[in-house]
Amino acid sequence: GAVVSQHPSWVICKSGTSVKIECRSLDFQATTMFWYRQFPKQSLMLMATSNEGSKATYEQGVEKDKFLINHASLTLSTLTVTSAHPEDSSFYICSAGDRSKMTQYFGPGTRLLVL
Amino acid sequence: AQSVTQPDIHITVSEGASLELRCNYSYGATPYLFWYVQSPGQGLQLLLKYFSGDTLVQGIKGFEAEFKRSQSSFNLRKPSVHWSDAAEYFCAVGNTGNQFYFGTGTSLTVIP
Repeated sequence: GAVVSQHPSWVICKSGTSVKIECRSLDFQATTMFWYRQFPKQSLMLMATSNEGSKATYEQGVEKDKFLINHASLTLSTLTVTSAHPEDSSFYICSAGDRSKMTQYFGPGTRLLVL
Repeated sequence: AQSVTQPDIHITVSEGASLELRCNYSYGATPYLFWYVQSPGQGLQLLLKYFSGDTLVQGIKGFEAEFKRSQSSFNLRKPSVHWSDAAEYFCAVGNTGNQFYFGTGTSLTVIP
């Protein structure tokens, strides 16, 4: 399957700052990328669907002004957590979607800790 | 709306014993079903998937799953568990928009 990378793999920041997480599809052009959030010992929760060149679609309950998603190219999507607070601390995972195969290729995740 | 239920939060099996992890789904149309494994500090790895056709699906690492429409289930099985199988297992359902919805996961412990 395709390789998806995320950067950074972990980040610690102060409350009130913004953090940007990059998701790259290294060998696959992804028209759609997905962002998930995973709390410790819990499942992955789909946050938003990111389509290249258009606005992201957010799941119910996810604040679009809090979690800014940009999908500027077929290989890069970014998630910016704006004005981060301790409750935003979590494991964020992205994936690149291959609709022709109805599958997703997952990145290794980014662990965010907001102090 | 689609959803997935994994009734077992945690399962412990002895090495060499058989394994079955349960998954029930809710989806209005023909589901796309997946099993992923997540080891500590690792990303998600696809074990197997079902789209259509043969209801018994073979995956990697000796895993298989059976789709039962009448029971809305997609249980994962392995005849003989290895210590390296200890991990978190997630069942997921995908919709036609290729969006995935995951169950809450089952943590597998393997005792020697």
